[in-house]
Amino acid sequence: EPEVTQTPSHQVTQMGQEVILRCVPISNHLYFYWYRQILGQKVEFLVSFYNNEISEKSEIFDDQFSVERPDGSNFTLKIRSTKLEDSAMYFCASSEGTSGNNEQFFGPGTRLTVL
Amino acid sequence: AQSVTQLDSQVPVFEEAPVELRCNYSSSVSVYLFWYVQYPNQGLQLLLKYLSGSTLVKGINGFEAEFNKSQTSFHLRKPSVHISDTAEYFCAVSRFSGGYNKLIFGAGTRLAVHP
Repeated sequence: EPEVTQTPSHQVTQMGQEVILRCVPISNHLYFYWYRQILGQKVEFLVSFYNNEISEKSEIFDDQFSVERPDGSNFTLKIRSTKLEDSAMYFCASSEGTSGNNEQFFGPGTRLTVL
Repeated sequence: AQSVTQLDSQVPVFEEAPVELRCNYSSSVSVYLFWYVQYPNQGLQLLLKYLSGSTLVKGINGFEAEFNKSQTSFHLRKPSVHISDTAEYFCAVSRFSGGYNKLIFGAGTRLAVHP
């Protein structure tokens, strides 16, 4: 069964460093998303991406964040200069088509720890 | 804007007992409703979804949920739980429209099934 994969599973970084979180969405999916979950808090929407551009972003997704689909398979989230409060579990998701009821398939997450 | 409230952060229950996990939402527009499950060290997996039609929705692993528009609720139920149902359960909404749709999640309910 096709699945969304994410690497690495755990990333530890120093404050101020850049990190890139990687995701491989399901191959025929067209919509891509990043969500995050700070420990003990809700899963929060960060950004959605379609046709090589951002469809929507939340207020969390400030200038320190960027997303990219560098090739036909990967979807990346870059945090330019990490802060302590960026420590969270980051989930990538993808969905197939354009109707609102399309199921989003989630990856297992990357746990980011900023020291 | 939409919001989701999961009324119980933890629900302990004995094996083979029934369980109900509560979810209430608020929205000024029509929404789709979802329940996701997260097993330890795994991503979010869709249990079931309400899009339209019958208010009683059946999902995987014997779970079901009932959409109640007047009470703006979407409670999740299972008549007899197993140890393997121990996990975190998330209720989510997305707005009713074409195109991509971000998911708005509740804070999650940790279901702990004891022998």
